[in-house]
Amino acid sequence: GAVVSQHPSRVICKSGTSVKIECRSLDFQATTMFWYRQFPKKSLMLMATSNEGSKATYEQGVEKDKFLINHASLTLSTLTVTSAHPEDSSFYICSARDPGGAGTFGSGTRLTVV
Amino acid sequence: AQSVTQPDIHITVSEGASLELRCNYSYGATPYLFWYVQSPGQGLQLLLKYFSGDTLVQGIKGFEAEFKRSQSSFNLRKPSVHWSDAAEYFCAVGGDQGGKLIFGQGTELSVKP
Repeated sequence: GAVVSQHPSRVICKSGTSVKIECRSLDFQATTMFWYRQFPKKSLMLMATSNEGSKATYEQGVEKDKFLINHASLTLSTLTVTSAHPEDSSFYICSARDPGGAGTFGSGTRLTVV
Repeated sequence: AQSVTQPDIHITVSEGASLELRCNYSYGATPYLFWYVQSPGQGLQLLLKYFSGDTLVQGIKGFEAEFKRSQSSFNLRKPSVHWSDAAEYFCAVGGDQGGKLIFGQGTELSVKP
């Protein structure tokens, strides 16, 4: 079946630094990927839609300059959290539209900003 | 407004007992409906999906769900719960296949021996 790999699974960074999270579709091409954020004991909130070869579409309230998304190839989308602060600490999950007609999710990245 | 409501935040069932997790949605177009399961610190695994056709859909791990348009519901069921089913369950709705999703707040399932 379709597999989406997300890396790293956990990252700790200092406040003010930037962190890059990768989302790869391993056995299919994904022209569209999605980035979600999940707070503890909370649901997933869509942050942005990543489109291969074009600009990402951000949901209302999401700072596009803080959460930079790049989708340079048909199998890779990256989310960069710039100038991270403790309030950016969260669980970030990507998904990709797979050939079977559903979203396949990565395993998530736990970001802790100290 | 588009939304998904899972009325039960936490459910506890005995192993071997039947299970039903409720999901109601509000969506302005034809809904594509999904159930995902999440173990602690992990990503989401698709249990089943409904796009069209038979309103009773079968999924993995013995789960099934029934789409009831008149009630705007898509409840998840399992006839006999196993201890390994303990996890967080999310219902989601979208406007197309594999597109962006709106999630419910999740139902945490605990299974007691």
